[in-house]
Amino acid sequence: EVQVLESGGGLVQRGGSLRLSCEVSGLIFSNYAMTWVRQAPGKGLEWVSSISGIGGSTYYADSVKGRFNISRDNSKNTLYLQMNGLTADDTALYYCAKGPHPTAAVGSGLDSWGEGTQVTVSS
Amino acid sequence: QSALTQPASVSGTPGQSITISCTGTSSDVGTYNLVSWFQQHPGKAPKLIIYAGSRRPSGISYRFSGSKSGNTASLTISGLQAEDEGDYYCCSYIDAATPYAFGPGTRVAVL
Repeated sequence: EVQVLESGGGLVQRGGSLRLSCEVSGLIFSNYAMTWVRQAPGKGLEWVSSISGIGGSTYYADSVKGRFNISRDNSKNTLYLQMNGLTADDTALYYCAKGPHPTAAVGSGLDSWGEGTQVTVSS
Repeated sequence: QSALTQPASVSGTPGQSITISCTGTSSDVGTYNLVSWFQQHPGKAPKLIIYAGSRRPSGISYRFSGSKSGNTASLTISGLQAEDEGDYYCCSYIDAATPYAFGPGTRVAVL
């Protein structure tokens, strides 16, 4: 059974930084594209960033480009999201999700979501 | 503002069928067969129920089906049940720089 566990969220001041982690078990991690999606309180889902299985290709939403950096350590089965220059608009529950099949390209779908980690930016 | 549009709410009675639309453009939904649908219950993580337009992941009820016509993708829930209440989001591949974009979500109510 695939398990996805996000961590690293917390309360941070405006302009501060956080690094989120997402540990995945139950599969060959390097075979799967991974994605971060966030959900602000009472709002809908927003795609944040994606990375290919071997990490050679990365993608960012315009709202985070230049401030966030996605990476992965396939030896640790872990996905990361380094978030810098945080603003109140970044306050959200951050989810990690994997692609639907081994070697499926980024954009093919998102299954096996974690429960999320909360990021709150105070002003 | 979402690149995709969905109705804010859809309702039905138990046993009925309902359909949720997701409208994009000829450059995204109309070109690629990469629309996914997610179900989200309050306080829970989203759950994939349809991917690649019409494919159901393992364990997802046959009552959920996906289709597409032109620039509009649709999710149909047949034999509506109380447990189907929740929020439903469509998601599509947009282009090489934007692999995912979500619709604003549709609240499904079972009357």
